[in-house]
Amino acid sequence: DVKVTQSSRYLVKRTGEKVFLECVQDMDHENMFWYRQDPGLGLRLIYFSYDVKMKEKGDIPEGYSVSREKKERFSLILESASTNQTSMYLCASSYPYGYTFGSGTRLTVV
Amino acid sequence: QQQVKQSPQSLIVQKGGISIINCAYENTAFDYFPWYQQFPGKGPALLIAIRPDVSEKKEGRFTISFNKSAKQFSLHIMDSQPGDSATYFCAASKGGTSYDKVIFGPGTSLSVIP
Repeated sequence: DVKVTQSSRYLVKRTGEKVFLECVQDMDHENMFWYRQDPGLGLRLIYFSYDVKMKEKGDIPEGYSVSREKKERFSLILESASTNQTSMYLCASSYPYGYTFGSGTRLTVV
Repeated sequence: QQQVKQSPQSLIVQKGGISIINCAYENTAFDYFPWYQQFPGKGPALLIAIRPDVSEKKEGRFTISFNKSAKQFSLHIMDSQPGDSATYFCAASKGGTSYDKVIFGPGTSLSVIP
């Protein structure tokens, strides 16, 4: 069974901390995505990557950066965490016309 | 023009009833319309999808109806069960790109009560 694994289910970080969210897929997919999910706002695309070392901004990239050094791993970085970045973060990889999502990381910034 | 609109925001249905969720889009370049189902504590999972060359697709109790001229599509869940209680996202994407970027609707929280 194909898998997208997010390293942490729950994280609590302090304001100003640098935060790393890790995502690994075992499907050899080229495309990977980071979304955040907030009640009433649905899924909003932060960044995506279509190849190693390539990245593209999504709809809400401010305050975030990403890293893709290997095909299977896509990291989301919060350079200086703020309380408005408290959210559920979802990683996904895609095959033609479909996504496989990880189970999400619920991040709380205090 | 990239938006996908979805309604209702939440829905309560009696067990055995029909759940209906509606979506609308603007961009006529979209050519693939998936629905995702998300249970609490899990990521969304692909449920069913349709292309605009057909007006309906059925998989078990789940049916997508597609109206190309109105730029609308809907999910029908027949004989709804408590196990169907989840958040449902409609989505749309364009083919022919290497990015496979999907645009999601805001989601519908479905509760099926016994």
